[in-house]
Amino acid sequence: AIQLTQSPSTLSASVGDRVTITCRASQGVSDTVVWYQQKPAKPPKLIIFDASTLENGVPPRFSGTRSGTDFTLTISSLQPEDFATYYCQQMYVYPHTFGQGTKLEIK
Amino acid sequence: QVQLVQSGAEVKKPGSSVKVSCKATGGSFRSHALNWVRQAPGQGLEWMGGIIPIFETPTYAQEIQGRVTISTDEPTSTAYLELSSLTVADTAVYYCATHRGDLWGQGTRVTVSS
Repeated sequence: AIQLTQSPSTLSASVGDRVTITCRASQGVSDTVVWYQQKPAKPPKLIIFDASTLENGVPPRFSGTRSGTDFTLTISSLQPEDFATYYCQQMYVYPHTFGQGTKLEIK
Repeated sequence: QVQLVQSGAEVKKPGSSVKVSCKATGGSFRSHALNWVRQAPGQGLEWMGGIIPIFETPTYAQEIQGRVTISTDEPTSTAYLELSSLTVADTAVYYCATHRGDLWGQGTRVTVSS
């Protein structure tokens, strides 16, 4: 199975900061990586699909990029509602594995 | 607009089985491949399996193969996840989601306890 390694596991930041989360695939997954935001006791919310396309209704401060098997999620200026856990997932091949998650905390 | 509505919380004994449902309201399953994902308390997301309803052939995560069955009932636009030989390690919130990841059910909490 393809492994996705997210880093960091925890990220402490302040409102207004620019933050980047990385997801590295163990083999090629084309552009099939998606990013989710999850808040406690809620299902995940899709924010980026096809590695870099913003889901409808998601603020443009979120962006995604791909370089080979490395994928990044960037939030350009953190807002209070952005503090949550973020997951990447590959849709290239079954099993559709997830990264282990990055918890974004308020500093 | 399609929504995914899941069945209610379950409490099960070790060794028993559980069947969770996921009903698509406001639309049809035929256009949506579905995945099942679970999340143990305080843990990350784990993909369990998926099905494309028009093909009716599910794919399962290797770790639970042999204990899991995913099925769909087209007339009622309902998908099912059945997990057998439950252990305490199966305690989790179980989600259905579209293949694209844009729609998720509200989650079903399954607690396995003696």
